[in-house]
Formats: sequence, structure tokens, C-alpha cells
Amino acid sequence: DIVMTQTPLSLSVTPGQPASISCKSSQSLLHSDGKTYLYWYLQKPGQPPQLLIYEVSNRFSGVPDRFSGSGSGTDFTLKISRVEAEDVGVYYCMQSIQLPLTFGQGTRLEIK
Amino acid sequence: EVQLVESGGGLVQPGRSLRLSCAASGFTFDDYAMHWVRQAPGKGLEWVSGISWNSGSIGYADSVKGRFTISRDNAKNSLYLQMNSLRTEDTALYYCARASGYSSTRNCFDPWGQGTLVTVSS
Repeated sequence: DIVMTQTPLSLSVTPGQPASISCKSSQSLLHSDGKTYLYWYLQKPGQPPQLLIYEVSNRFSGVPDRFSGSGSGTDFTLKISRVEAEDVGVYYCMQSIQLPLTFGQGTRLEIK
Repeated sequence: EVQLVESGGGLVQPGRSLRLSCAASGFTFDDYAMHWVRQAPGKGLEWVSGISWNSGSIGYADSVKGRFTISRDNAKNSLYLQMNSLRTEDTALYYCARASGYSSTRNCFDPWGQGTLVTVSS
């Protein structure tokens, strides 16, 4: 199984400041089709997860451009350029290159 | 509007069975793979099972393999999870999620339902 490791597990950020979350996979997520199957989700309090980023760096519909994803192979990063109060919640990375699909442990973002 | 509504959760004793359902609407159900993802109280997300558009490809987490069975009825726009031999560690909120394509891999999940709570306790 592919293990997804996120760091840090928690973040406390002042509004307007940047934030960064790392996600490392135990195997490469680059498929022979040229795509890398790494995704980012945000679970806001009391809600189901919502998709933020697909295939490493593509913002999903309606996601603000302060969110960006980067990385390749086994190392990935989610960045928030300027954190806003509505960004609080738990961020998860997920791989879907092979079954079983696996998630990172989650990174809790709170506002200072 | 794309909508997923889970049902069938509840309180059940260890060793008993439960069947979850997910009713889909607002999209062509048999164009997409579907998945179950669970979240134990206060914990992270755990993928449980996935099924391709035509049920030709099915996968399970090791933690539920041999006990849970995923299925779908494309005529009824419905996804199911038959859960047998339930354990206390199966206690979780179970989400139904649509994949972004027809395959059970190489896709992401959107949207997700609101979840149905399964509590396994004596």
C-alpha cells in the first residue's frame, strides 16, 4: 500500500500570512500515462471533504487562486498564499494511482 | 444539482450486519465510479471501497476485505455497502463519493455525501 505522510499535522496562521503543507508518498504517483495522481481536499468543520486540487497542481472549480499545488514523483506541497478565516479545517492529500486509495493523516489549520 | 444521499446507518452490535445505501441524482450515474470513505470519530479519512462504472473493477481496504461488499444498481442510481461481521473499530461516519471518471483508480472524489453514522457497540 502507498503510505501518504503529511507535515505538519497542525498549523496556526495569522490571517493574511502564507501557509504550506507537505505530503510525501512512499511510491511515485506518476503514472505511465504522464499524469500524477495526487489530490488535496479540505474538510471544514462539520462538513464532508471538498476537492481543492487535482493532479498535483490544478485548482478545482471555484477554488480561490490563493491555493496552489506543486510537486512531482513522491513530494508534494499545498500552499495558501494569504490565509483567510474561511480556510480553517483539516487538509488531506490523497493518492489514486493504485488501490487501496490512501489519504495522508490530515493537517489541521487554525487561525491565530 | 449533483446530490448523494447516504442512508442505512445506525447502532448495531458487534458481529451483526448493516447495509448502507447511497442515492445519487443530478448526473448520469453509470458514467462514474463510486466509492465509500469513512471517518472514525475525531480521526482522519479512510478509503473503504470503490467500484467502477460497470462493477467490473472493485477494491477494498484490507481492514474490511472479506467482511464488506460494495455493489451498485445503475438502473436505480444507487450504491450500496453490505457490512457483515461488524467490529467496534468500524464505528465511523460513512461517506459516499463520486469519482471523477469511470475507473476506480486515477480519479478523485467530487462530490461527497453528508455521510451516515455507523456505531458498532454492545
